Amino acid sequence: DAGVTQSPTHLIKTRGQQVTLRCSPISGHKSVSWYQQVLGQGPQFIFQYYEKEERGRGNFPDRFSARQFPNYSSELNVNALLLGDSALYLCASSPLGGNSPLHFGNGTRLTVT
Amino acid sequence: QKEVEQDPGPLSVPEGAIVSLNCTYSNSAFQYFMWYRQYSRKGPELLMYTYSSGNKEDGRFTAQVDKSSKYISLFIRDSQPSDSATYLCAMSGNTNAGKSTFGDGTTLTVKP
Repeated sequence: DAGVTQSPTHLIKTRGQQVTLRCSPISGHKSVSWYQQVLGQGPQFIFQYYEKEERGRGNFPDRFSARQFPNYSSELNVNALLLGDSALYLCASSPLGGNSPLHFGNGTRLTVT
Repeated sequence: QKEVEQDPGPLSVPEGAIVSLNCTYSNSAFQYFMWYRQYSRKGPELLMYTYSSGNKEDGRFTAQVDKSSKYISLFIRDSQPSDSATYLCAMSGNTNAGKSTFGDGTTLTVKP
């Protein structure tokens, strides 16, 4: 079975630009979560979606937004990029959302110059 | 102060050693406790998932949760070079918001 897939794997953007990251969950999983992992730190929660509805939002500015599609895939958008947005962006899927165990993809490495 | 504190390491042990990894936390609302393993340039992989206090064993891995002390541990028996990775503890509360709070990880190297 295919795991969580994320695209692109690497991305380089300039300050002020906008970026869209994509995630396909494990087949049968209805929930997608997004996390930001800065080098040397643990992942930080950004969003969780379940059945296309936002279930939870972390302490990130409104420049960060996301959505979930009817096929349960998801996009994370970041506007007006800052140097501090450089990080590994991880998508995780789970069967039911909430506190279900997370299954992570390998992430998108975003570099903002 | 962070909600979840993890021994930063790095930790280096010989092959076959018993490894102990630990986290402390401050939020008494945490009910679910997880351990993830993260290899370089990969996403975290779930190793153990436990609810409330107690022990859980899976092969060479044992997870312990002591809610009274707000302390969790992961033990790895007969450690192998393939266990060399960063280990992340994570916790969540009893809500539907789906937020897991992670420690910053302990990097383990198992030397042959």
